[in-house]
Amino acid sequence: KNQVEQSPQSLIILEGKNCTLQCNYTVSPFSNLRWYKQDTGRGPVSLTIMTFSENTKSNGRYTATLDADTKQSSLHITASQLSDSASYICVVSAGTGGFKTIFGAGTRLFVKA
Amino acid sequence: DTAVSQTPKYLVTQMGNDKSIKCEQNLGHDTMYWYKQDSKKFLKIMFSYNNKELIINETVPNRFSPKSPDKAHLNLHINSLELGDSAVYFCASGTVDSPLHFGNGTRLTVT
Repeated sequence: KNQVEQSPQSLIILEGKNCTLQCNYTVSPFSNLRWYKQDTGRGPVSLTIMTFSENTKSNGRYTATLDADTKQSSLHITASQLSDSASYICVVSAGTGGFKTIFGAGTRLFVKA
Repeated sequence: DTAVSQTPKYLVTQMGNDKSIKCEQNLGHDTMYWYKQDSKKFLKIMFSYNNKELIINETVPNRFSPKSPDKAHLNLHINSLELGDSAVYFCASGTVDSPLHFGNGTRLTVT
């Protein structure tokens, strides 16, 4: 069964600190993995997208890694800001027909001053 | 110049009513989607539609039906609303290899 699991479920950090969010998946065959940021009351916004051959991708203070062998991904946030408070959703797409996209439940990040 | 816009933002209605949520995208994408985000925050796909094919998630009750008057619009019609339909519904658009672009959601509350 295609699944995407994220950890931790929620996380509280102080402004300026770094943090890492985890995503494990069992989606097969793998096509790509995306990280989205969802602010409260808003739709998800894409941060990064990685294909099978990519190990890391950065977008400003966000750096995503992918290990296709262990089927794990992480999202590292550097020098967190209050505006980073949001839900971060890992999304994995399979390379088959039908519904290809599986969403994780997200990690809720709270950045405190 | 919002990319994906959906209306209304909030919808409160009684059980048994029929309601619609509208969605429009100005990105020129060929595929539009409807997702349901439940209380556990999972986003579950309901429909995927382009001008060639409608794909329906088999778990979605047939009370839900998408209607696409043109390539830039995909509306969601819901008949005989039930309490369990309460959720946030997101419209999205995209192409095969691009990230999905989401609207800001419609919070549906069925009383």
